[in-house]
Amino acid sequence: DAKTTQPPSMDCAEGRAANLPCNHSTISGNEYVYWYRQIHSQGPQYIIHGLKNNETNEMASLIITEDRKSSTLILPHATLRDTAVYYCIVRVAALTSGSRLTFGEGTQLTVNP
Amino acid sequence: KAGVTQTPRYLIKTRGQQVTLSCSPISGHRSVSWYQQTPGQGLQFLFEYFSETQRNKGNFPGRFSGRQFSNSRSEMNVSTLELGDSALYLCASSRRVGGQRQSEKLFFGSGTQLSVL
Repeated sequence: DAKTTQPPSMDCAEGRAANLPCNHSTISGNEYVYWYRQIHSQGPQYIIHGLKNNETNEMASLIITEDRKSSTLILPHATLRDTAVYYCIVRVAALTSGSRLTFGEGTQLTVNP
Repeated sequence: KAGVTQTPRYLIKTRGQQVTLSCSPISGHRSVSWYQQTPGQGLQFLFEYFSETQRNKGNFPGRFSGRQFSNSRSEMNVSTLELGDSALYLCASSRRVGGQRQSEKLFFGSGTQLSVL
């Protein structure tokens, strides 16, 4: 799986958009970009994933650059409950890698009142 | 729909003992994977089970083992516990269907916090 690089920490004001960047310059054509987050003392929570098109769901939006070497997770209106460690993961589809996710260090997002 | 259930939530053991952790996946999910999380090493993949067979294994010693039952419930066992085995052990389930190439989401439980004294 491709390696990812994320800033170790970010701050965001409550109600504002949180934009979390991720670099994955060695991504292959068949690798997906996944985002998970982990709130303290809980298991990671799936947020969103994409291959090459931008994606949006009820939690967030995922913007993937045209060359697919980087992406941005957007939380449109951050709340205090969004304070968590956010992990960007790049992996091939499940047939060969199964459920094996390689977690990096992630970004600690702190949403301030 | 109930989420992934892990029991027990907390566990204290002493060096040399063995421990068994349990995981009940989301109903209909056939794949169960296990992860270890420590402050120093972060989240690391232990192994995955699908249809009662281990499909993938991480770089952990043989003291770490697991199994999956016909109802998809899974257990992991750690024998001869060491202080370094103190960690949060997380179980995740997914709807992966064998033989199909697809993206997938993992659903994690809240974990079992194991302390080895």
